[in-house]
Amino acid sequence: AQSVTQPDIHITVSEGASLELRCNYSYGATPYLFWYVQSPGQGLQLLLKYFSGDTLVQGIKGFEAEFKRSQSSFNLRKPSVHWSDAAEYFCAVGDSAGGNEKLTFGTGTRLTIIP
Amino acid sequence: SAVISQKPSRDICQRGTSLTIQCQVDSQVTMMFWYRQQPGQSLTLIATANQGSEATYESGFVIDKFPISRPNLTFSTLTVSNMSPEDSSIYLCSVELAGGLQFFGPGTRLTVL
Repeated sequence: AQSVTQPDIHITVSEGASLELRCNYSYGATPYLFWYVQSPGQGLQLLLKYFSGDTLVQGIKGFEAEFKRSQSSFNLRKPSVHWSDAAEYFCAVGDSAGGNEKLTFGTGTRLTIIP
Repeated sequence: SAVISQKPSRDICQRGTSLTIQCQVDSQVTMMFWYRQQPGQSLTLIATANQGSEATYESGFVIDKFPISRPNLTFSTLTVSNMSPEDSSIYLCSVELAGGLQFFGPGTRLTVL
C-alpha cells in the first residue's frame, strides 16, 4: 500500500524568504503525486501535480515541486513566500490500480509566515 | 476545474442522531469520493462513489455507518449514522476530472455533542 510522509509538522518562515516543504512517498510503481493547500476554514486547493515527464513541475501561486525517484521525494518549493501563503499543505500520492485515483495524504505541514 | 458545493457547511448534532451531507458538482463526473478529516489530522478516504453502482468502502468504514447515495453524475450524499463525539470531523467530497485530477468541495464541519 502506498504511503506519504511529511516530516515537518510545523514550519515558520519570514515573509520574503524561500520555502521548502518535504514529502516522501512509498509506492510500488511510478507514482502520481500532488500537493494541496488548505487555508483556514477552507477546502483543499490543488497546487500542482506530477504524473510523468519533466520532474520539475510548476504550479499555481508561484509554487514548484521536484520529483526525485532516487530519493522517493516530491518536495514543494517557493522562492519568496507571501503572508497569504500561511496555510496547511498536504502532499498526496494517487493509486491508479483498479482504474481510479484513490489519494493517500500525508499528515500535513502547517506553514506560519512571520513579518 | 469544477465548482463543488456541500451542504450543510457546518452542523452541531446530538449523539445518536444522523446527518446527511450533500455534494453537488457543476459538471457530470464519473468518480466521486468522500473523505474525513478529524481534528488536527490529515484526510482519510471513506469511500468511492460511482453512479449506478454500490459505493466502495475503505478499510475501517462500513456502509451501515456511512451510507452513500449517488443518484446521478452530479450529486452524492453521505450519511453519518448514529453519531458519537468521535464522528466530529470535517467531511469533504471530491470529484475526479479528466486527467486524473481531484478537486475538493469546501467541506462540512460536523460537531457531535
